[in-house]
Amino acid sequence: SAVISQKPSRDICQRGTSLTIQCQVDSQVTMMFWYRQQPGQSLTLIATANQGSEATYESGFVIDKFPISRPNLTFSTLTVSNMSPEDSSIYLCSVETLSGGAETQYFGPGTRLLVL
Amino acid sequence: AQSVTQLGSHVSVSEGALVLLRCNYSSSVPPYLFWYVQYPNQGLQLLLKYTSAATLVKGINGFEAEFKKSETSFHLTKPSAHMSDAAEYFCAVSYGGSQGNLIFGKGTKLSVKP
Repeated sequence: SAVISQKPSRDICQRGTSLTIQCQVDSQVTMMFWYRQQPGQSLTLIATANQGSEATYESGFVIDKFPISRPNLTFSTLTVSNMSPEDSSIYLCSVETLSGGAETQYFGPGTRLLVL
Repeated sequence: AQSVTQLGSHVSVSEGALVLLRCNYSSSVPPYLFWYVQYPNQGLQLLLKYTSAATLVKGINGFEAEFKKSETSFHLTKPSAHMSDAAEYFCAVSYGGSQGNLIFGKGTKLSVKP
């Protein structure tokens, strides 16, 4: 497994502002992902954070709204830009490792964001 | 499209009773299957996973799940519920490879009554 930390753990922000969330893992990993969990919902993949190249976004998510950086194999950031109350969610990063013969994702503790 | 169905968004059991959380997937190809648990105000923790080895998989905290191909199911069980098991449980599937192809169910919130 991997030990994953996220900063901040929670924040309350004003609409129109931006927040950058950091994800740090204790070992080098190839695959890192960012998910959103809206209130009462399951997880939705936002994008795959690629080291050294642009992130790969899922349908419905765009780089201008959710810019992602991945400067090395242990760190990534997700920015939620020009926030609105609809962006209030838990944002989770995950990493994928090969474990027990299968690619397995391990999740960070999440960042709880409330936009007023 | 592939999907995961968790029957029952909320399950309530008494302490000491059997826990059964249902998960069905839609696929003709056996996937990798996972159960994650999310305790209040925390992230997701991997509970157990099926990767085409033994069909009965044992996880942490006394949970286990059985892969039944004929039923396309991967139900999660625990013989005796504990108060600390109260959490939300997510079933997820992947079909191998990378690129975050985990498909999550909508989750089942487990309540444990004293």
